[in-house]
This record gives sequence, C-alpha cells and structure tokens, in this order.
Amino acid sequence: DAGVIQSPRHEVTEMGQEVTLRCKPISGHNSLFWYRQTMMRGLELLIYFNNNVPIDDSGMPEDRFSAKMPNASFSTLKIQPSEPRDSAVYFCASTLWGVGNEQFFGPGTRLTVL
Amino acid sequence: GENVEQHPSTLSVQEGDSAVIKCTYSDSASNYFPWYKQELGKRPQLIIDIRSNVGEKKDQRIAVTLNKTAKHFSLHITETQPEDSAVYFCATNTGNQFYFGTGTSLTVIP
Repeated sequence: DAGVIQSPRHEVTEMGQEVTLRCKPISGHNSLFWYRQTMMRGLELLIYFNNNVPIDDSGMPEDRFSAKMPNASFSTLKIQPSEPRDSAVYFCASTLWGVGNEQFFGPGTRLTVL
Repeated sequence: GENVEQHPSTLSVQEGDSAVIKCTYSDSASNYFPWYKQELGKRPQLIIDIRSNVGEKKDQRIAVTLNKTAKHFSLHITETQPEDSAVYFCATNTGNQFYFGTGTSLTVIP
C-alpha cells in the first residue's frame, strides 16, 4: 500500500482564493482525520469521518472551512475564501475504527496564503 | 472531552544520556496511548504505543510506561543519538478520535 496520499504537497495562493486539499486514505481504513499544524497552535484536529460520515467537526475553525468524504477512498478539505492565517501544514490521517489501531499520517499539504 | 498535557515542551540532552517525556490525560475511558515522532518537515510517525492492560512496553532504546490510576504515561529514550532529535507527541484514544499533546522538541547534542 502506498500509505495515505495527499495532494497537492505545496499550495501557494492569494487571499480570497478557494483552496481544495485532497486525501486518499489507506485502503481498508474506515476512519479519516483532517489536522492542521502550526507553530503557535500545534496539531489541531479539524474534523474526522467514520465510514464516510462526519462524526465531529467541532475543530473546524469557521464556515470558510468545509470537508467532504464522498466515498471510502477520497476526502477533500476546502477553504473558501482563504486568509493568510490559514497558512499551515494540513495533514490527513486514516485508521481502522476501534481501540488500539495505529493512525497513519499522510505527508501533509503545506499551504501558504499570501 | 479529553485533555492531554505534555511536558516538557523542549528538552536538550547530551548524546548518550536518557530523555523522558511525560503526559497526563483526563478521560478514564482512554485505553490506547501512542507516541509519535515528527522530524522536521515530515509527517508524525508512530514509534511506540501501549494499551491500557499493559504497564510498560519496550522496543530497543525506547520504552513507554502507563499508570492508569494516576492517568499519566511517559516515553523513555535511552542512549540518545543525534537522530533522535525531533518533536515527540503523545496521544490518547478511546476508540473514537485521537487527542494529541502539544509536543516536545528534543535536541540531542553530539
């Protein structure tokens, strides 16, 4: 398995533009997590899905952020409109639902909003 | 919800010395405790984990201890090497989401 795949790896955009981050979880995993990492706030959980259903989106900062998981092998995190304070590394991670199962992280998307 | 606290936030040790990182948590339902290592510019990767029915687990130079009564667990790295320099995160899991500590930046001085 190629592991968790994220695209793009780097994204530079201008304030006000729409940004879409993509994630393909490990085949067979049924839980998917989106995290944001910054120096100031560390690793923050934004939202997670179980069996393609959003379970907890309380970490989504505001309405500008939205996430979807249309099927078991694909998820998107969208920011519209983007702001400079959204600049961060966004990680997607997947696991098999249940206690004691390792969570695997993707390589991350480094987002810079100018 | 769960509250995970991690200390220290930074740690410097001489090569060959030991390093200890500690975490406390609040949810007694937590029963899986992984530790992740994140090298600069890379993703967090699991280095060791422990489940609630075990008090200690070792893997070569790395060990984790768990005290469920006191709700704390620790990472121990012995005979540290420069390649151990990274940020280490503890986490807890109840079978739902994972809760992460704020990270410890470990520097091993050659």
